[in-house]
Amino acid sequence: DAKTTQPNSMESNEEEPVHLPCNHSTISGTDYIHWYRQLPSQGPEYVIHGLTSNVNNRMASLAIAEDRKSSTLILHRATLRDAAVYYCILSPTWGTTGNQFYFGTGTSLTVIP
Amino acid sequence: SQTIHQWPATLVQPVGSPLSLECTVEGTSNPNLYWYRQAAGRGLQLLFYSVGIGQISSEVPQNLSASRPQDRQFILSSKKLLLSDSGFYLCAWSYRVEAFFGQGTRLTVV
Repeated sequence: DAKTTQPNSMESNEEEPVHLPCNHSTISGTDYIHWYRQLPSQGPEYVIHGLTSNVNNRMASLAIAEDRKSSTLILHRATLRDAAVYYCILSPTWGTTGNQFYFGTGTSLTVIP
Repeated sequence: SQTIHQWPATLVQPVGSPLSLECTVEGTSNPNLYWYRQAAGRGLQLLFYSVGIGQISSEVPQNLSASRPQDRQFILSSKKLLLSDSGFYLCAWSYRVEAFFGQGTRLTVV
């Protein structure tokens, strides 16, 4: 499984933007970059995914480096409800073998009021 | 819309007892199905995944097993629980590139 590296923890002030980095230097050409987040005692929640181009949705933006060896999840205005563990995951394109989502330890985001 | 049901939410079982956790998905067909475990303060570990009825792939050797008797039903079992089986168990399904998780079962083996 392709490996990702994330900082163990980050802090942000409420209402400010947050940039969560992820390194994935061994990414293959067919790997999607996914971000999920997990609130305490809950299952992970999908945030965003991308392949090559930057992506935006109502929750966040995903900036992907040109060489695809790193990416950044951007929360434009952090709220207290954004405090969670954020996972960056690589997964191959869908096929008969299925996508196998391997989670690392993620980044624990603390939002300071 | 698609939903995933996982039960029970919490479970306390003695060492050596059997285990059966059930997960069902509604609103989709032929999903990929997954069982994960999260030990206290740790990341999620993929235990099993399935791409179809009766097709199970195991990621980690252990005393757990999984079965998929129907397209949208995924069962995690053990014949004899160990203390180390305690954790937060999550079922998930995916179609194409996105995965959706259940609310989890917190298992405590005593």
